[in-house]
Amino acid sequence: AQSVTQPDIHITVSEGASLELRCNYSYGATPYLFWYVQSPGQGLQLLLKYFSGDTLVQGIKGFEAEFKRSQSSFNLRKPSVHWSDAAEYFCAGNRDDKIIFGKGTRLHILP
Amino acid sequence: GAVVSQHPSWVICKSGTSVKIECRSLDFQATTMFWYRQFPKQSLMLMATSNEGSKATYEQGVEKDKFLINHASLTLSTLTVTSAHPEDSSFYICSALTRLAVTDTQYFGPGTRLTVL
Repeated sequence: AQSVTQPDIHITVSEGASLELRCNYSYGATPYLFWYVQSPGQGLQLLLKYFSGDTLVQGIKGFEAEFKRSQSSFNLRKPSVHWSDAAEYFCAGNRDDKIIFGKGTRLHILP
Repeated sequence: GAVVSQHPSWVICKSGTSVKIECRSLDFQATTMFWYRQFPKQSLMLMATSNEGSKATYEQGVEKDKFLINHASLTLSTLTVTSAHPEDSSFYICSALTRLAVTDTQYFGPGTRLTVL
């Protein structure tokens, strides 16, 4: 069955530190992959997406993600987090127009 | 980028009443819209796929008579929660599929918080 897994429910990092949020996918064929961010009371905002081509994808707000087929992973990274990055992050996969979301990772930022 | 709105942003209703939630694509035509629900501290679960001018396709376990979906135009889809009960309280999110680019992208609305008393 198709699935997207985010193994970390919570991640805490200090402001200014680097960040990596993990995402693994399980699909018959490579899906389109996305990272979304949801702030409290807000809708989903697309950070970046991967369809094909260059496996390192640049997104908004200084985020990037790397697609690794051999590891079925699409991890999100940021070199230096800001307090405003505290939010819920969802990895998602899309085949045939149906988006499947991971369970999300809550990012906490320490001052 | 493309904008999707939802109305209302939050609603409180009594048990047994029906509630209608609107999802609009403001600056593009959406042939397909999707409805999700999100329980507190959980992920989004797809409820149904709505195609303009045709019946919605519901995911397994979603009661189509409970959650009525109408996609009457290329910019509007509605979700009606009929005879709402407290267990229907949730965050409902819609998305609209645009084919403005070669690669399709779904744009999400801000969500509607439904509380059933």
